[in-house]
Amino acid sequence: GAGVSQSPRYKVAKRGQDVALRCDPISGHVSLFWYQQALGQGPEFLTYFQNEAQLDKSGLPSDRFFAERPEGSVSTLKIQRTQQEDSAVYLCASSGGTGMVEQYFGPGTRLTVT
Amino acid sequence: AQSVTQLDSQVPVFEEAPVELRCNYSSSVSVYLFWYVQYPNQGLQLLLKYLSGSTLVKGINGFEAEFNKSQTSFHLRKPSVHISDTAEYFCALNTGGFKTIFGAGTRLFVKA
Repeated sequence: GAGVSQSPRYKVAKRGQDVALRCDPISGHVSLFWYQQALGQGPEFLTYFQNEAQLDKSGLPSDRFFAERPEGSVSTLKIQRTQQEDSAVYLCASSGGTGMVEQYFGPGTRLTVT
Repeated sequence: AQSVTQLDSQVPVFEEAPVELRCNYSSSVSVYLFWYVQYPNQGLQLLLKYLSGSTLVKGINGFEAEFNKSQTSFHLRKPSVHISDTAEYFCALNTGGFKTIFGAGTRLFVKA
């Protein structure tokens, strides 16, 4: 596709439900990042993939958060037993290299936990 | 640890006036610096980046920024703003690894 796409764009979950957020990066992009953006804040790094390898997951806030990219393209961020503090916009970004190259961001998924 | 501070949460300005959005950073190692813009309900778009070389960096949409190592600043400027520049602007820092650290953002509001 022309850019990074994310689905769903909006998700409302009841506390305790599991959710799965999808990211389709730009075709051929090696690097994929997930960020969490709380209301009124800047994005915060969650995790990084280089192809299918998850090289850094130090930003995942708890073991309820899990990300995968099994074939090195589409990625899924899963949140188990959602809590109200998980409410945020989840942004995905991809880049064509592994160095200091531009990251292309998707529109985000706004998760609201009620 | 590295950090990014955007000194103004909101900047109102009249159309065609100049604007400066301030960004200061903290790092004990060399940095790469970025400015991103976020329009409502959209992802972030790169405005400009400083990797090395000239400290004055020009970006898209007429924006520019100056890297000042002694003052640990990377302020964003535009000589004449348009209504369409109304958006959230984020300053960001990377030290060469996987993580990019973002500031809290500055909302630029351009008034007619």
